[in-house]
Order: sequence, then C-alpha cells, then structure tokens
Amino acid sequence: EAQVTQNPRYLITVTGKKLTVTCSQNMNHEYMSWYRQDPGLGLRQIYYSMNVEVTDKGDVPEGYKVSRKEKRNFPLILESPSPNQTSLYFCASSSGNRYSNQPQHFGDGTRLSIL
Amino acid sequence: KQEVTQIPAALSVPEGENLVLNCSFTDSAIYNLQWFRQDPGKGLTSLLLIQSSQREQTSGRLNASLDKSSGRSTLYIAASQPGDSATYLCAVRPRGGSNYKLTFGKGTLLTVNP
Repeated sequence: EAQVTQNPRYLITVTGKKLTVTCSQNMNHEYMSWYRQDPGLGLRQIYYSMNVEVTDKGDVPEGYKVSRKEKRNFPLILESPSPNQTSLYFCASSSGNRYSNQPQHFGDGTRLSIL
Repeated sequence: KQEVTQIPAALSVPEGENLVLNCSFTDSAIYNLQWFRQDPGKGLTSLLLIQSSQREQTSGRLNASLDKSSGRSTLYIAASQPGDSATYLCAVRPRGGSNYKLTFGKGTLLTVNP
C-alpha cells in the first residue's frame, strides 16, 4: 500500500530539547515536503526536497532543519524547539516529474506540543 | 502571491442533501488543483485532482469542477451521508518552478446530520 509514514504521531516536550520527526514514503517519490497546520493560518510549507541531497526553504523555515540522505526518508529536525513551534505537522510526497499530474500524498500528521 | 479562499468556512446539512463547496484562487497560473478531506486527528486524504487543462473530475458521489480563467473550483457532493462529515481543503499547485508547493485554502468544515 502506497503510504507516507510519520513518527511520532504525538509528542509533548520542553523548550530547547532537540527532536526529530521522521517521514518515510514507499512510492519511490523524488519530491518530499513538510507543512505545518495552525488554526486560522492553514497549511504552510516549511521545507521541501526535490531529490536526495537537494533541499530548499519553504515559506516558514525558521527554527527547522531537514536532510535528505536517502530517497525514501525526509526527517524534520527542531534543534531548539520553542512554544511557537507547537503545531500539527504533515509530510508529503509526490513524483518529481514536473509534468506529472499525480496527486501529492500526505502522512497522518504529527502533533507537537512544546512546553 | 497565490491566495486560496474557501467559502463557506462551515456548513451543516441534513443527510441526503446535495451540496457544493467553493474554492477560489487569485493566480490562474496553476498546474493542477487538488481537493482533500481531513478528518479530526487524521492526515489529508486526496479526493480529486483536476489538471489545469480539465474542466471537471468525478469519483463516485464527488464531482469537482475547475474554471481556471475565473479562478474558481467547486466540489459537489451528491446524496450526502454522515460519514462525509469532515473538513474539505482545496489546494493549487503553481505552474513552473522547482517547488511543487501546494497553496491551501483554510477549509470548509462539513457536518452532515442524520
């Protein structure tokens, strides 16, 4: 079954304690992306990756890092989390073919609470 | 900058009713438009994708239309059921560039009452 898997699904932690949210897809997709969803603001892109070792900033990258060492994995790293990063996070993937009209696939989300 | 608006923000209907959800976008230079469903505490499930060259797409009781020139899309749900209750999001992918970022609307919260 084609899927995007995020872990953990829920996390409560404290300010300043480094954390990593993992994302893995089994569809051999080149393109992967992270979004955060906040009430009243909708979904906003944090970072994206066009392929292995190719990453770039989205609209709200401050306070986040990513890496893409393998095609299937795209972890989101919060080096020093702060309360304003409390949010619902989604990982997405799709074909890297510019002309592809295949839908983007989303994970089930990770709810982070930073105290 | 692309902006996506969904109206209404919330909608409550009795079971069996046909309904229309609206989505508008400001920049018509899109590659495709995707409708998603989001259940509480869950991820985004893709419902329909309409290419910029298409006018509509259908899947079961769902029909999505696209009028790119006027910057509008609608999602029609026929014979609504309580299981259709969820938040519906539309998102557009820009034409060109190397980022396939989707710009989302804020969603319509649909409640279908038995």
